[in-house]
Amino acid sequence: GENVEQHPSTLSVQEGDSAVIKCTYSDSASNYFPWYKQELGKRPQLIIDIRSNVGEKKDQRIAVTLNKTAKHFSLHITETQPEDSAVYFCAARGSNYQLIWGAGTKLIIKP
Amino acid sequence: DAGITQSPRHKVTETGTPVTLRCHQTENHRYMYWYRQDPGHGLRLIHYSYGVKDTDKGEVSDGYSVSRSKTEDFLLTLESATSSQTSVYFCAISAIMGREVSTDTQYFGPGTRLTVL
Repeated sequence: GENVEQHPSTLSVQEGDSAVIKCTYSDSASNYFPWYKQELGKRPQLIIDIRSNVGEKKDQRIAVTLNKTAKHFSLHITETQPEDSAVYFCAARGSNYQLIWGAGTKLIIKP
Repeated sequence: DAGITQSPRHKVTETGTPVTLRCHQTENHRYMYWYRQDPGHGLRLIHYSYGVKDTDKGEVSDGYSVSRSKTEDFLLTLESATSSQTSVYFCAISAIMGREVSTDTQYFGPGTRLTVL
């Protein structure tokens, strides 16, 4: 079945350093890949997304890259700040307008 | 927040009782989803709807039913609650009725924390 694998499950980085989270998807027909951030006790919120017709998208300190051949996509956060601490989820569009979700990455920013 | 509300926000109930959670949206979105979120499992789709009276099962639908009699309301019912259904439940929406845009992007409600004793 359709599957999205997300790594690592926990990532700890020094404030100011970069963080990279990687996801691999199984359905070669997937063409939409969003990333969500979820702070403790809050709802998941979309932070960036990418479609299969582009290889990279940036929004200030956040970027997403997509490699369709290898079926993986990554979230890059530069110059990390304490407010970046959260759980991050990747997803890939599957059939019937559903999103197939990764299991999440807990990002810890060390002061 | 895409005009999504969920009620109740917190509920404690006993095993074997029926429970209904409500998702309400004010912006005429076509697609609505119910997820549960548990530690280590991320977000798992329970049921979804692509229009009034049009619903389908997700990956963890056993023990749950849904109804959508109006565009704005999507109800999730636990027919006989069990302790394994203790979770945080999120409703989500995508797309706008009559305009087939953003069918992929999902926006979430604030969530309902359900505890089954």
